[in-house]
Amino acid sequence: AQTVTQSQPEMSVQEAETVTLSCTYDTSESNYYLFWYKQPPSRQMILVIRQEAYKQQNATENRFSVNFQKAAKSFSLKISDSQLGDTAMYFCAFMVGGNSGYALNFGKGTSLLVTP
Amino acid sequence: GAVVSQHPSRVICKSGTSVKIECRSLDFQATTMFWYRQFPKKSLMLMATSNEGSKATYEQGVEKDKFLINHASLTLSTLTVTSAHPEDSSFYICSARDSGYSNQPQHFGDGTRLSIL
Repeated sequence: AQTVTQSQPEMSVQEAETVTLSCTYDTSESNYYLFWYKQPPSRQMILVIRQEAYKQQNATENRFSVNFQKAAKSFSLKISDSQLGDTAMYFCAFMVGGNSGYALNFGKGTSLLVTP
Repeated sequence: GAVVSQHPSRVICKSGTSVKIECRSLDFQATTMFWYRQFPKKSLMLMATSNEGSKATYEQGVEKDKFLINHASLTLSTLTVTSAHPEDSSFYICSARDSGYSNQPQHFGDGTRLSIL
């Protein structure tokens, strides 16, 4: 079974600063996918960034980047130049395809507050 | 981009009634859809995987007779909460995979807030 751990229940950052959210996972699979989702108060699930395990290069999407350490099974999210609109719950998620059915396995989430 | 429509967004009903929630993929085909449940300030918990034309696969601890899932077409899955009680009150979210892309992420609906009085 795969587990996803987010050890930071809450975090706070000032506007324009940088913050890093941590995520670790446990799996015996060699090919899998990792995601960060954002859930604002509206409760929509918004995909922030994704990473394929077979790719060594860290994914980047504008102000969002990841530090993917496959050997350590770590997948942290860095948000640069934080904006008030980044305030939300952030979930790390793990997905395996094939017979595992491509279901997402979520961490418990990190509540991020961006302050002026 | 891919859109998943979930309806209704909010429902309030009396204890003992059954409630049906629909999840539609609007511009892609989805052989697989997923149903999640989320308690306040908690994570999403997978309830079941809905497969078009076959029986759903339920996660351990989820009552299949309480939460009926039907996936009769490539664009529609429904979740029916039967004989709902206050403890069934929660936020339910569906997601769908585009059948044509095996490694693409799931697309989520906007969720349904269910309140049982």
